[in-house]
Amino acid sequence: EAGVAQSPRYKIIEKRQSVAFWCNPISGHATLYWYQQILGQGPKLLIQFQNNGVVDDSQLPKDRFSAERLKGVDSTLKIQPAKLEDSAVYLCASSLRQGADYGYTFGSGTRLTVV
Amino acid sequence: DQQVKQNSPSLSVQEGRISILNCDYTNSMFDYFLWYKKYPAEGPTFLISISSIKDKNEDGRFTVFLNKSAKHLSLHIVPSQPGDSAVYFCAARMKTSYDKVIFGPGTSLSVIP
Repeated sequence: EAGVAQSPRYKIIEKRQSVAFWCNPISGHATLYWYQQILGQGPKLLIQFQNNGVVDDSQLPKDRFSAERLKGVDSTLKIQPAKLEDSAVYLCASSLRQGADYGYTFGSGTRLTVV
Repeated sequence: DQQVKQNSPSLSVQEGRISILNCDYTNSMFDYFLWYKKYPAEGPTFLISISSIKDKNEDGRFTVFLNKSAKHLSLHIVPSQPGDSAVYFCAARMKTSYDKVIFGPGTSLSVIP
């Protein structure tokens, strides 16, 4: 079974620029999550999709962050404009169904550095 | 407001000994707890979980203990191996109309050969 694919692995941008991350979940996984992990902290949920609908985006800074999941498969997370404090690893995860007891499979993440 | 706490940022243990990683939580609505392990440059991987109706769950060298009255759980690794060196995240689930999982800040474990 192929894992969760994310790209790019690394990205360096200047503040106020825009950036986009891509995630391809495990085939058949209905639920997709984007997490932000700042150095020294645990992953923080940004947005959760069930198929192509948003389940929870309460911690997504909507003035600068946006995410979509077209056709309930791939997803993109965008930041526009980026701030220095957005420097973090952005992790995508998927699960077969909505529920922690189904287990999340995480991708390797995209490390974003904003300078 | 940190609802899931891991108060030890790092831990060093000799190979073959027991590693004990601790986690405290504040919200009594949490009903399911998970431990994830993370190597550098990789995403977290699921390790072991426990439901709030149990007080112990064991999987090979890994055992998780839950003390609901103290709002405390711990992960025991026996015996510790150098390959166990990683960051361990404790996570807790709150079930509403959907699952909300909150991660702790992690504990970096080093197992010394």
